[in-house]
Amino acid sequence: GAVVSQHPSRVICKSGTSVKIECRSLDFQATTMFWYRQFPKQSLMLMATSNEGSKATYEQGVEKDKFLINHASLTLSTLTVTSAHPEDSSFYICSARGQGAYPVAFFGQGTRLTVV
Amino acid sequence: GENVEQHPSTLSVQEGDSAVIKCTYSDSASNYFPWYKQELGKGPQLIIDIRSNVGEKKDQRIAVTLNKTAKHFSLHITETQPEDSAVYFCAASMDSSYKLIFGSGTRLLVRP
Repeated sequence: GAVVSQHPSRVICKSGTSVKIECRSLDFQATTMFWYRQFPKQSLMLMATSNEGSKATYEQGVEKDKFLINHASLTLSTLTVTSAHPEDSSFYICSARGQGAYPVAFFGQGTRLTVV
Repeated sequence: GENVEQHPSTLSVQEGDSAVIKCTYSDSASNYFPWYKQELGKGPQLIIDIRSNVGEKKDQRIAVTLNKTAKHFSLHITETQPEDSAVYFCAASMDSSYKLIFGSGTRLLVRP
């Protein structure tokens, strides 16, 4: 399958600071990227959908000013957690879907965010 | 919106036995159903998928069946091995959005 690289894999930050997570499609062009959040022993919850060159579409209940998403190119999307608080600590995962009608999505390896 | 339910939440089988995980979906417009395997601390890995115009798909020890009328689909793993132990997620999406809606996950344990 296609390769999606997510960086960093782990990050610890202080309350009130911002953290940026990168998601790159390495061997294909990703027209659409998705960001998920996963709590321990729970399922993946979709946070937002981003299409290259346009504003992200956020799911209900997700604060767009807190979770800034940028999809500036066909191979890179970033999620910035602004003014992080301990309750933002979670596992964040991106996925990318290539061009064409076949909706296969490949996932990055995830980022474990700990806010102290 | 779409809702996906997954059962069982945990499944323990003896090595060599088969494992079956079942999911139901609510929106008849959904037409794509992937299955993902997630190991601890890692992102989900696509293991098999099926589109709504197909009733069954097989890849070596893994198979997926789809019943559009009943709106349910299942993952079948035969000849299970300890390395199959992981959390498995089903998902559903439709062409209009390509958003994946995930089931709650099944923790599979294969006992040696």
